[in-house]
Amino acid sequence: EIVLTQSPGTLSLSPGERATLSCRASQSVSSSYLAWYQQKPGQAPRLLIYGASSRATGIPDRFSGSGSGTDFTLTISRLEPEDFAVYYCQQYGSSFRGTFGQGTKLEIK
Amino acid sequence: EVQLVESGGGLVQPGRSLRLSCAASGFTFDDYAMHWVRQAPGKGLEWVSGISWNSGSIGYADSVKGRFTISRDNAKNSLYLQMNSLRAEDTALYYCVSATVAVAVFDYWGQGTLVTVSS
Repeated sequence: EIVLTQSPGTLSLSPGERATLSCRASQSVSSSYLAWYQQKPGQAPRLLIYGASSRATGIPDRFSGSGSGTDFTLTISRLEPEDFAVYYCQQYGSSFRGTFGQGTKLEIK
Repeated sequence: EVQLVESGGGLVQPGRSLRLSCAASGFTFDDYAMHWVRQAPGKGLEWVSGISWNSGSIGYADSVKGRFTISRDNAKNSLYLQMNSLRAEDTALYYCVSATVAVAVFDYWGQGTLVTVSS
């Protein structure tokens, strides 16, 4: 089973800054089957990125995903106040397993 | 508009059973895989189980295998999770999730139903 490790655990930044979140897999993620989700307090998660770099419907272009193999990155180019939340990466494939990372909390500095 | 509405959660004693339901609308339910994902209080996300559009393929997390059973009724646009032999560690908010982009990309989420296992 692939284990996903996200870093940092908490990231403190100010609005307008650039955020870089990391997700490292214990073994190669096939075909870049890697997704990113955002979760705000009291809300269900929201899909941001799938296929490592494809934005989901309605997601602003300040969110971008990159990477392959075992190292993936979610970048938020210029933080808006509503972007402060917890972010999860998830690997998936042709099976029905969808393993999540432990999350990165993005907080206002 | 896609809507996923879970029901059936509540307080249950260890060892007992509970059945969760999810009513789907706003998309062609019988075209897509569906999943249950849970989140224990203050913790991260955990995939629980998934089922293909025609129920031909099913998967479970190791933590629930043999105790939980996922099913769907395409005629009723509904997803179910039968949970038996419940444990304290099953306490969580259970989300019904659709996978219309790919079989295990969770693109639409319900608001969740809370299951509390306690004596």
